[in-house]
Amino acid sequence: GENVEQHPSTLSVQEGDSAVIKCTYSDSASNYFPWYKQELGKGPQLIIDIRSNVGEKKDQRIAVTLNKTAKHFSLHITETQPEDSAVYFCAEGFSGGYQKVTFGTGTKLQVIP
Amino acid sequence: GAVVSQHPSRVICKSGTSVKIECRSLDFQATTMFWYRQFPKQSLMLMATSNEGSKATYEQGVEKDKFLINHASLTLSTLTVTSAHPEDSSFYICSASRQLNTEAFFGQGTRLTVV
Repeated sequence: GENVEQHPSTLSVQEGDSAVIKCTYSDSASNYFPWYKQELGKGPQLIIDIRSNVGEKKDQRIAVTLNKTAKHFSLHITETQPEDSAVYFCAEGFSGGYQKVTFGTGTKLQVIP
Repeated sequence: GAVVSQHPSRVICKSGTSVKIECRSLDFQATTMFWYRQFPKQSLMLMATSNEGSKATYEQGVEKDKFLINHASLTLSTLTVTSAHPEDSSFYICSASRQLNTEAFFGQGTRLTVV
């Protein structure tokens, strides 16, 4: 993996609204795209991941979309809740190994009650 | 999910001393673990890949003599920061996968402060 750009760096939404975070990568060989949630003082926790053989994956309020042609992928959180407030990182890597990944720059999400 | 545990969670050491951070996979064996460093409000940067029974592979720009990695067993990797300086103060995080092509689980991180 190489550079991974992530936008926005900060995001504030009202509780119940949706939040979208976007990432762009440069390594065309990447085929594994996880998203992590990191709370203050803790390690990152995987919330959803997608591999290059699918374009979209959903898990309850969280969904991820992947456009391999354009080399970008997005995280969508619907019906946001205050406990969704955290820093979110996208990442990219190769799924053929032990998941060595390159992280994006992070998005601090604040859900306002 | 699998559990990866780091110890200590926080450590303060004096400049010039060394400090060891442990990363354990509690319920699975990990032949490969990864060490990351995270500065405040920044992303995680991969430092090295720790391989059980062999030498670690370091990323470009990471001093192997300063950040000693030992992966002596399938459940334990250690990172030793030698001759620590204030600029080494950071959040150090390890990760491990249960097997090939499966998700990586991250430890809770170790906050190192060098005074």
